[in-house]
Amino acid sequence: QLQLQESGPGLVKPSETLSLTCTVSGGSISSSSYYWSWFRQPPGKGLEWIGSIYYSGGTYYDPSLKSRVTISVDTSENQFSLQLSSVTAADTAVYFCARRLRVGSGVYYIDYWGQGTLVTVSS
Amino acid sequence: AIQMTQSPSSLSASVGDRVTITCRASQGIRNDLGWYQQKPGKAPKLLIYATSSLQSGVPSRFSGSGSGTDFTLTISSLQPEDFATYYCLQDYSYPLTFGGGTKVESK
Repeated sequence: QLQLQESGPGLVKPSETLSLTCTVSGGSISSSSYYWSWFRQPPGKGLEWIGSIYYSGGTYYDPSLKSRVTISVDTSENQFSLQLSSVTAADTAVYFCARRLRVGSGVYYIDYWGQGTLVTVSS
Repeated sequence: AIQMTQSPSSLSASVGDRVTITCRASQGIRNDLGWYQQKPGKAPKLLIYATSSLQSGVPSRFSGSGSGTDFTLTISSLQPEDFATYYCLQDYSYPLTFGGGTKVESK
């Protein structure tokens, strides 16, 4: 059974960089069918997509965050990571990592999620 | 970016009720839409993908329909474990965008 687990600091100071890692277990991160993704959910609000990375390194980011976001993949460690720079209180949220699966011709869905980790931006 | 307008934002229903939630896309997204259920403090769970395909293990009381810009999630007979928040997600183009969510509460 595939499992995803987010890890990283739960508290980040304003203007600093938020860094999270998602460790994938029970399966390989290296498959042409997978896009490894980050989402977030501010307290009491809805879900937001941050970005996705293909196992080979191709990335896709939300335009509103693109200038501050970097997603990378480490196939040797079966991990992928999120960095969000110049954070403010508005970046306080539960951050989820997830697997976006491509099946057949152009059909995608998110079938596995991490449990989520709360990151608070505060001095 | 494609805007997803989900309605209602909340609803009250009783066990056994038929529940319908809709999502409207600001432009055509073929059938590239999924429905997710989220309970408090938990990660979202995939219910339906590609508009109407039921994810493995999801009860058959959940169904999806639609195409183009208008989509519907139906719960045919609401069960106690179905009280949760539901989100649609368009997977047609980047950036991926969610509907605002529908909270299904007990009447």
